[in-house]
This record gives sequence, C-alpha cells and structure tokens, in this order.
Amino acid sequence: GAVVSQHPSRVICKSGTSVKIECRSLDFQATTMFWYRQFPKQSLMLMATSNEGSKATYEQGVEKDKFLINHASLTLSTLTVTSAHPEDSSFYICSAITGHSSGNTIYFGEGSWLTVV
Amino acid sequence: DAKTTQPPSMDCAEGRAANLPCNHSTISGNEYVYWYRQIHSQGPQYIIHGLKNNETNEMASLIITEDRKSSTLILPHATLRDTAVYYCIVRGAHGNTGKLIFGQGTTLQVKP
Repeated sequence: GAVVSQHPSRVICKSGTSVKIECRSLDFQATTMFWYRQFPKQSLMLMATSNEGSKATYEQGVEKDKFLINHASLTLSTLTVTSAHPEDSSFYICSAITGHSSGNTIYFGEGSWLTVV
Repeated sequence: DAKTTQPPSMDCAEGRAANLPCNHSTISGNEYVYWYRQIHSQGPQYIIHGLKNNETNEMASLIITEDRKSSTLILPHATLRDTAVYYCIVRGAHGNTGKLIFGQGTTLQVKP
C-alpha cells in the first residue's frame, strides 16, 4: 500500500512553545490530508481536513488558531500546535488520499506522540 | 455520516478464523464500508473496503449482506499479531473529502 510518513515520531516540548509535526506522502500525491488526535484508550478524533493549496476545514470544537495546518504541496502537510499546554499531550495521526472518489483508500502515518511538560 | 455498531471486544483462538461483525443499517447507496485496524501506539492500518460485492485480499475477506445493512470482516487464520482494535467505518463522498470518522471499534484478542 501507499506510504505516509510522519515526523517526528515522538516530541517533548515545554509549555507555551510551539511544535510542528510533518506528514508526508512518500509515493503518491495527496490531494487531501486529514489530521487526527487520540488520547489513551480512546478512538481517533478527526481534527481537520486539508486540501492542497487551500485552507484547512476544522471539525467543530477544534481551535484553528491553536492547531495550524498547512498543506503547501501535494506531498506535505504540517500541523503546528501553538502555545502548547500539557492537555495538548496526545497521539497525533495524519492520513492522506489521492483523488476524490469515496472508493479511494486513505492511508495513515505512524503517528506522533506529543508530550508537553 | 452513516454510523456503525460493533461489539466492544472479541476473543479468537490462534489459527482459527476471526469473524468481526459490523452493523450499518443507515448506510446509503454510494457509501463504502472500510475496515482498519490499530495495533497499540501505531497509526491505523488499512485492511479492506467494499461497496456491494464481497471482497478478498491477502489480509482478509469482507462479506457485505445483500441489503448492505451489515458486514463481516473475516481473518481466515488469526495469529497473535492480529490482536488489535478493528474499526468498521462507512465512508461516503462529502463534497470532495470523504473523511473517515472512527467509532470505538472492536478489540480483538487472539489467544494461543
């Protein structure tokens, strides 16, 4: 299957700082990328959808000024957690798809663990 | 989005077939059924998807009922490495996104 890579896999940052997580589609052009977060023993929660070259669409309750998403190219999307707080500590996962058919498979990255201290 | 209902947990003996059910009674005609699994602390892994017909690949088989209101994922010979949370998701085309909304899934425990 297609490969989606995230970096870093683990990051620790101090409260009040910003941290950026990258999501890359390695062998296909991703027209759309999705960002999720997952707390321990819970399911994945969709945060936002980003289409290349346009602004991200955020799910209800997700602060767009806190979670900045950029999808500047067909192979790269970034999630920046601004002014991070301990409650932002979570597992962040991206996924990517090419094309717009609902029959096209969405592939996921390995996830990034964020710990805010 | 059409919602899905899955049992919270299931056990399966190693080497036996694991049959994971999913109900999606409100599915509409253009929505696909997708299955993913997540092993602890990893990103979800794509397993299989289908629209109407049964599907099979190297990982699993997907059986969709004729009325499309339910489906079953079959792992033909479960191994200990198949222990994971399995998610059944109905996905349509919402504008141009067709996003995946995860429920709670089924935790499959494969036992020796």
